[in-house]
Amino acid sequence: GEDVEQSLFLSVREGDSSVINCTYTDSSSTYLYWYKQEPGAGLQLLTYIFSNMDMKQDQRLTVLLNKKDKHLSLRIADTQTGDSAIYFCAENRDDKIIFGKGTRLHILP
Amino acid sequence: EPEVTQTPSHQVTQMGQEVILRCVPISNHLYFYWYRQILGQKVEFLVSFYNNEISEKSEIFDDQFSVERPDGSNFTLKIRSTKLEDSAMYFCASFRGPETYEQYFGPGTRLTVT
Repeated sequence: GEDVEQSLFLSVREGDSSVINCTYTDSSSTYLYWYKQEPGAGLQLLTYIFSNMDMKQDQRLTVLLNKKDKHLSLRIADTQTGDSAIYFCAENRDDKIIFGKGTRLHILP
Repeated sequence: EPEVTQTPSHQVTQMGQEVILRCVPISNHLYFYWYRQILGQKVEFLVSFYNNEISEKSEIFDDQFSVERPDGSNFTLKIRSTKLEDSAMYFCASFRGPETYEQYFGPGTRLTVT
């Protein structure tokens, strides 16, 4: 299909790792992104990965890319209450950003 | 750190009225975009603008919508006759060019049509 797909909800205990999964559609996408949106706020680019990479680590964030399966994941280590937000997977398609519906990450105490 | 700015942050208008949403993209960027997010839904592409003309538009971007870059800094989205279903958060974004990776998003304008 044409959509970027991701699960809608994820609950994780504080201190555990969060893993948010996504499948995208366009094998020619150059860049894949994770955006974070806190309640009432705009879109913050968390991290991105170039399509010729399979992993990128940035402090607590690890992005894994399986280009064959068009699968992207975001791992947040040591999840904190401040990580509570909606996380959007997105792909670059013809110089526009195509977003998934977002995964709402809920942190349990 | 350069940033995209948008005004107003919140606009309330009556159905049938015209609204203009304003954006100031990052100064050395060449590509400009509007996206829309209806409450609780995903962010959707509306239109892209390059070299003073629309380069691509989605099916949402019908004849009620128009974009303009009236001077060297502003980029506007006009909705001629607003409908209730136009209520959404509207994000402006700018992009330096295809060799770069990041589209910079503004903070958004929340449009409420009553």
